Amino acid sequence: EVRLVESGGDLIQPGGSLRLSCVASGFPVSSNYLSWVRQAPGKGLEWLSVIYTGGSAYYADSVKGRFTFSRETSQNIVFLQMNDLRADDTGVYFCARVRAPRTYSLDVWGHGTTVIVSS
Amino acid sequence: DIQTTQSPSSLSASVGDRVTITCRTSQTVSNYLNWYQVKPGKAPKLLIYAASYLQSGVPSRFSGSGSGTDFSLTISSLDPDDFATYYCQQTYSNPLSTFGQGTKLEIK
Repeated sequence: EVRLVESGGDLIQPGGSLRLSCVASGFPVSSNYLSWVRQAPGKGLEWLSVIYTGGSAYYADSVKGRFTFSRETSQNIVFLQMNDLRADDTGVYFCARVRAPRTYSLDVWGHGTTVIVSS
Repeated sequence: DIQTTQSPSSLSASVGDRVTITCRTSQTVSNYLNWYQVKPGKAPKLLIYAASYLQSGVPSRFSGSGSGTDFSLTISSLDPDDFATYYCQQTYSNPLSTFGQGTKLEIK
């Protein structure tokens, strides 16, 4: 079964750091693009980042310089390292598989992990 | 940056109704436009990719159309399971991408 499971969400103080994990099963992360998307409370979906098969990662302006997308192919896991967290980073974080290179649609999603940034 | 604007932001309808949600982009995105269904506490679900292609396993009452800057998602006959929030996503600007602000479909 093709599946993604996120973990690592927590309550964290402003300025703190957190690392989210997303375990993939049923497909290799090494040969797929993956993305992170978040949803703030009461708000819509926000695309955050993508990692390509070669390991290059790209970011939305809102997180560039603070978040880093990486992967460990031997364990079939991807990570989102989040630094200098702010209150507006609060939300549910989803990882998703990207159907590339044809449409870049997100065809498999996890259920998300919740990050709360508050003092 | 490509702006993605959905309308309406919310919609009330009854079971059996036909509903259409529109998505407009600030510049052409060809057919790099996808639609998703989101329900609270559940994983988002891909409905339509490349503007008009039905994702495997999605009921045929869902359809998508459009190209360039104007797109629509139509549900031909609402089922009780369809009450959710719907988002369009442009991926023309890949590797970057943007979502519309969402359309909440509620029961009348």
